[in-house]
Amino acid sequence: AQSVSQHNHHVILSEAASLELGCNYSYGGTVNLFWYVQYPGQHLQLLLKYFSGDPLVKGIKGFEAEFIKSKFSFNLRKPSVQWSDTAEYFCAIQGGGKLIFGQGTELSVKP
Amino acid sequence: KAGVTQTPRYLIKTRGQQVTLSCSPISGHRSVSWYQQTPGQGLQFLFEYFSETQRNKGNFPGRFSGRQFSNSRSEMNVSTLELGDSALYLCASSIRTGGDTGELFFGEGSRLTVL
Repeated sequence: AQSVSQHNHHVILSEAASLELGCNYSYGGTVNLFWYVQYPGQHLQLLLKYFSGDPLVKGIKGFEAEFIKSKFSFNLRKPSVQWSDTAEYFCAIQGGGKLIFGQGTELSVKP
Repeated sequence: KAGVTQTPRYLIKTRGQQVTLSCSPISGHRSVSWYQQTPGQGLQFLFEYFSETQRNKGNFPGRFSGRQFSNSRSEMNVSTLELGDSALYLCASSIRTGGDTGELFFGEGSRLTVL
């Protein structure tokens, strides 16, 4: 069965701390991989995506993610978080014409 | 370039009623997908339409239906509403190429409350 698992439901960090959000997926074929972010009161926005090529992808606002095929993982990272990064983060895989989302990780950054 | 527009943004219905939600995709996007977002179940895929045809369908009962018009605008309908249908319904559009929808652009959603 196709599924996406995000390791952390709620992460609390202080500003300038480093961030890594885990994402593992289960899918039997080739997938496209995404991280979306939902800021409070706003719509889902794409942070970054991986379709093929370099497994280290860079997105907006200093975020990056690494696709490790052997581990079925697509972890999101940021070296130094800011208060404005407070949001909910969703990992998603795309296969068979639909996006399958993880449960989301709520990130709270303390100033 | 205007984004994905969903109407209405908020609505309240009672059990047994039906509801129709509307979505206008980004100009030039021919694929429209619908998702349901709830605190308990997260984001779940409802269906996708492309060129007025349903291309994919999620695991929702037949009370959930949709359609797409020739201008790519889409509507979804939920009949015989249940309390558990209370959710944020998200529409997303994309330029579909090949077998997958590619990057999705989401609207702000229609928040449905069923009393």
